[in-house]
Amino acid sequence: GIQVEQSPPDLILQEGANSTLRCNFSDSVNNLQWFHQNPWGQLINLFYIPSGTKQNGRLSATTVATERYSLLYISSSQTTDSGVYFCAVELPGGGADGLTFGKGTHLIIQP
Amino acid sequence: EPEVTQTPSHQVTQMGQEVILRCVPISNHLYFYWYRQILGQKVEFLVSFYNNEISEKSEIFDDQFSVERPDGSNFTLKIRSTKLEDSAMYFCASRSPGRLPRLELFFGSGTQLSVL
Repeated sequence: GIQVEQSPPDLILQEGANSTLRCNFSDSVNNLQWFHQNPWGQLINLFYIPSGTKQNGRLSATTVATERYSLLYISSSQTTDSGVYFCAVELPGGGADGLTFGKGTHLIIQP
Repeated sequence: EPEVTQTPSHQVTQMGQEVILRCVPISNHLYFYWYRQILGQKVEFLVSFYNNEISEKSEIFDDQFSVERPDGSNFTLKIRSTKLEDSAMYFCASRSPGRLPRLELFFGSGTQLSVL
């Protein structure tokens, strides 16, 4: 199946810092989403971004589908940004196979 | 904004008991999914459901698991005889149909299942 690699696995930053999280995938995809899992375990949709660039406040994401990677940028980090960030992709296949998740980047923002 | 709703948020059960996890997908969505996340691990696909039948299922989704859409709004996951290793967060998801590209998948807040 498709491989989804996220880096770095862990990241510790001071409040106010910027960060870039990377997601590499091994095959062409038909969908890519970024999620934030908060300390209560909830998965929060951040971006639906099979290609191109999107911005939402302090967060932005870019997917370069032809080169099989996506980047999530977090600017001016706040302690509430802490948690695990997951990238998930979906193959172009004909079935309703759903998303394949990476292992996530565990982000800790220190005050 | 429409959202996927899951109940209960926490469920504690004894090993060997049956549990039913409930989900109300977004009303105009036609594809439904269950995912599982064991503590500290990544989110894994269990099963997808469309047109009142299973579309795809993973190796995890064995004979102990079943899904049902008993009415026009609910989507349930049943575990017939729970095992300790079924302890996990279970997420329900839904979306509208679409192919190129596939449309966004919306997730519920999850049910934390603890099997004792």
